[in-house]
Amino acid sequence: DGGITQSPKYLFRKEGQNVTLSCEQNLNHDAMYWYRQDPGQGLRLIYYSQIVNDFQKGDIAEGYSVSREKKESFPLTVTSAQKNPTAFYLCASSGGAGTGELFFGEGSRLTVL
Amino acid sequence: SQQGEEDPQALSIQEGENATMNCSYKTSINNLQWYRQNSGRGLVHLILIRSNEREKHSGRLRVTLDTSKKSSSLLITASRAADTASYFCATVLIQGAQKLVFGQGTRLTINP
Repeated sequence: DGGITQSPKYLFRKEGQNVTLSCEQNLNHDAMYWYRQDPGQGLRLIYYSQIVNDFQKGDIAEGYSVSREKKESFPLTVTSAQKNPTAFYLCASSGGAGTGELFFGEGSRLTVL
Repeated sequence: SQQGEEDPQALSIQEGENATMNCSYKTSINNLQWYRQNSGRGLVHLILIRSNEREKHSGRLRVTLDTSKKSSSLLITASRAADTASYFCATVLIQGAQKLVFGQGTRLTINP
């Protein structure tokens, strides 16, 4: 079945460690996105990529990094520079130019110990 | 601040009743979308309404858009316990990068 797969679903990290969240899609979508969601809040855009080998910062990119070496994959690294990384992270993709429907993964919950 | 603001933040109704959620936004949009999120899960797209449309239906969902008031509403008719979720509006701005900007959501609880 086509869809977006995020892994791991739960992740624990010690302060000062970098962690990488995986996002893979088999929908043949050009655009991919990373959002952060805090409890009881909406989604805030971290990074997005409209095409392979290109990505742009969203509204809260500080302390995060991404790569887009393959169309199917858009991993997010949460670096030690991110001061408050505990959150729910959602990856999404879109077949259009970013103006159409987003398809979301099931999310990754990161907890910093 | 967020482009979209949902109202109310939380809504609790009895099964069978209709649920109405509102979304207001600040700047001109290309389209507006509604999404649903079950607790701890990803978001699921419900409906998209373009800036030149005023009303759209999908099953028990009815969405309206008033661009003069910069507002939209989502109506769920004959609610069911399974409709319990958070509902988010998201807008695509005309100016700037073509990306979705989400509101903070309405938490809907349907009581059996």
